[in-house]
Amino acid sequence: DIQMTQSPSTLSASVGDRVTITCRASQSISSWLAWYQQKPGKAPKFLIYQASSLESGVPSRFSGSGSGTEFTLTISSLQPDDFATYYCQQYNSYPLTFGGGTKVEIK
Amino acid sequence: EVQLVESGGGLVQPGGSLRLSCVASEFTVSSTYMGWVRQAPGKGLEWVSVFYTGGTTNYADSVMGRFTISRDISKNTLYLQMSSLRVEDTAVYYCAKTKRSGTSVFDIWGQGTMVTVSS
Repeated sequence: DIQMTQSPSTLSASVGDRVTITCRASQSISSWLAWYQQKPGKAPKFLIYQASSLESGVPSRFSGSGSGTEFTLTISSLQPDDFATYYCQQYNSYPLTFGGGTKVEIK
Repeated sequence: EVQLVESGGGLVQPGGSLRLSCVASEFTVSSTYMGWVRQAPGKGLEWVSVFYTGGTTNYADSVMGRFTISRDISKNTLYLQMSSLRVEDTAVYYCAKTKRSGTSVFDIWGQGTMVTVSS
C-alpha cells in the first residue's frame, strides 16, 4: 500500500497569511493526487485533482503543485472560511489512501 | 443538484450486521465509480470500498470478506452490507461518487451516516 504523510499535522495562521501544506507519498504516484477540505461535522469538500487542477468553483487562492512523491497545497491569502482540516489522497493505485490531515487553526 | 443521501446507520453489537444505503440524485450511479469512505471519531479518512462502472468491486483489507458493496440501478442507490462488525468499524460512513469513470477522486460526498459498534 502507498503511505501518505502530511506535514504539519497542525498549523496556526492568521487571516491573510500564505499557508503551505506538504504531502509525501511512500512511492511515486506521478500526479495522481487530490486535496480535500473538511470542516467539523461536515463531509469532505473536493478541492484539487491531478496535483494541480482546481475543481470548478474552488477559489483561486487555492493551488496545488508537485509530482512523484512530494506535493504541496498552498492557500495564497488565508480567509476566515479556510480554517479547516485538509487531506491529501493518492489515486495512483488501490487501495486508495489518505494523508493523516492538517488542521489549519486560527493564530 | 447532484446529491447523495446516506441512511441506515445506527448502534449494533459486535458481530452484528447493518446495511447502509446511498440514494443518488441528478446523476446515475452506473455512470461513474461509486465508493464508501469512513472516518472514525476524531480520526482521518479511510477508503472502504468501490463499485466500478463495469460492475466489479474492490475493498480495503480491513473489511474484505465482511463488507459487500452493491448497487441497484433501478433505484439509483448504492449499498454497503456490513457483517461481522467489530468495535473498530465504528465511524461515520460517507458515500461518494468519483469525478468520472476511470479516475478515483471523489467530487461529491453524502452527509455521512454514523455506525456505532458497541455492546
